[in-house]
Amino acid sequence: QKEVEQDPGPLSVPEGAIVSLNCTYSNSAFQYFMWYRQYSRKGPELLMYTYSSGNKEDGRFTAQVDKSSKYISLFIRDSQPSDSATYLCAMRYNQGGKLIFGQGTELSVKP
Amino acid sequence: SAVISQKPSRDICQRGTSLTIQCQVDSQVTMMFWYRQQPGQSLTLIATANQGSEATYESGFVIDKFPISRPNLTFSTLTVSNMSPEDSSIYLCSAFPYEQYFGPGTRLTVT
Repeated sequence: QKEVEQDPGPLSVPEGAIVSLNCTYSNSAFQYFMWYRQYSRKGPELLMYTYSSGNKEDGRFTAQVDKSSKYISLFIRDSQPSDSATYLCAMRYNQGGKLIFGQGTELSVKP
Repeated sequence: SAVISQKPSRDICQRGTSLTIQCQVDSQVTMMFWYRQQPGQSLTLIATANQGSEATYESGFVIDKFPISRPNLTFSTLTVSNMSPEDSSIYLCSAFPYEQYFGPGTRLTVT
């Protein structure tokens, strides 16, 4: 079993839809949680960074962490074609620790 | 955040040759991390490089194949040795305390 599981998709939605992306993990020791966006042929770009449980909002993006369920989510409101990319979740145990990534979800937002 | 740059951005190499990838950070950092992203896959940590000591390799990665140098607090190199087509990947670096940020990556194709 992988430490971090993420549905690879692909996921296709119409422009303006709310997108929900999810990851589950097996080790309760993870403390730091991240979401990355990766456009084709580019490096990953940090979108959201949270510590422990709770919600964090940044513009159209909301990250949720539920440590009791070992589940994290990224919500994208009013999705745009420019949001079409692969979204990767990642987590680590401590500061300076290695990042463990999910498989990535390929998202396509259709105009 | 820190600015992380990599050279080269891409290369096409022949089987059996070696390629050295450079990673430069605009701040002094303690640890630098090298990741690999194979086609259609997520990121996997290759090794962690501390200045003045041997790099620490993850399971499945060995120093003879991926030698790493860390000559100072802002710079590291990763060499991919005796390449085969299976080494075709994007290679990315990051650095503590900015380890959630990545360089733009080096896209390597081995023919």
